[in-house]
Amino acid sequence: DTAVSQTPKYLVTQMGNDKSIKCEQNLGHDTMYWYKQDSKKFLKIMFSYNNKELIINETVPNRFSPKSPDKAHLNLHINSLELGDSAVYFCASSQGVSGNTGELFFGEGSRLTVL
Amino acid sequence: ILNVEQSPQSLHVQEGDSTNFTCSFPSSNFYALHWYRWETAKSPEALFVMTLNGDEKKKGRISATLNTKEGYSYLYIKGSQPEDSATYLCALGGYKLSFGAGTTVTVRA
Repeated sequence: DTAVSQTPKYLVTQMGNDKSIKCEQNLGHDTMYWYKQDSKKFLKIMFSYNNKELIINETVPNRFSPKSPDKAHLNLHINSLELGDSAVYFCASSQGVSGNTGELFFGEGSRLTVL
Repeated sequence: ILNVEQSPQSLHVQEGDSTNFTCSFPSSNFYALHWYRWETAKSPEALFVMTLNGDEKKKGRISATLNTKEGYSYLYIKGSQPEDSATYLCALGGYKLSFGAGTTVTVRA
């Protein structure tokens, strides 16, 4: 069983389109995250939810909107896609918030390519 | 912004040799230091989470030490094997987990 699963793994789309990436974890964790792997391979936090409540919202364009219907799911919706949104997006989960001892469990990543 | 730096950026090591590399971080307001291994085409996997100054953790041939007073952690790989080839990320806990750029290890057979 995959602990943290993301869909789709690959997404190729045109500029201006709207797309979503879904994430589910079956670990019973209470915190979920979206990270973006930038062009220099850095993992940068975008959002974090704890028990469905938004607790971290980095400086991300408001075209990006996370949604957590329950604590096992965290989806990422992106409006009006731009070329610069092309990246690999990683979902992760942890028990407790990441500043403490809760190690992160990552999904396999979703590679978004905007043409 | 928490400045987490890892060095070297990459290294090559002969199979059977041991190696180590560094993660440096601001020593004030320390919460936790995480190490992850990231193999190509896979997702990062946690190796260690360290919270106390002087902590030493070990998993097989891989071990880590932590010095929170001076703001660094070392990761050691003893008797490197080809399967140890990966990027090793450290991350500093706090309000959010801030990742370094990683050290990419290539083990040559």
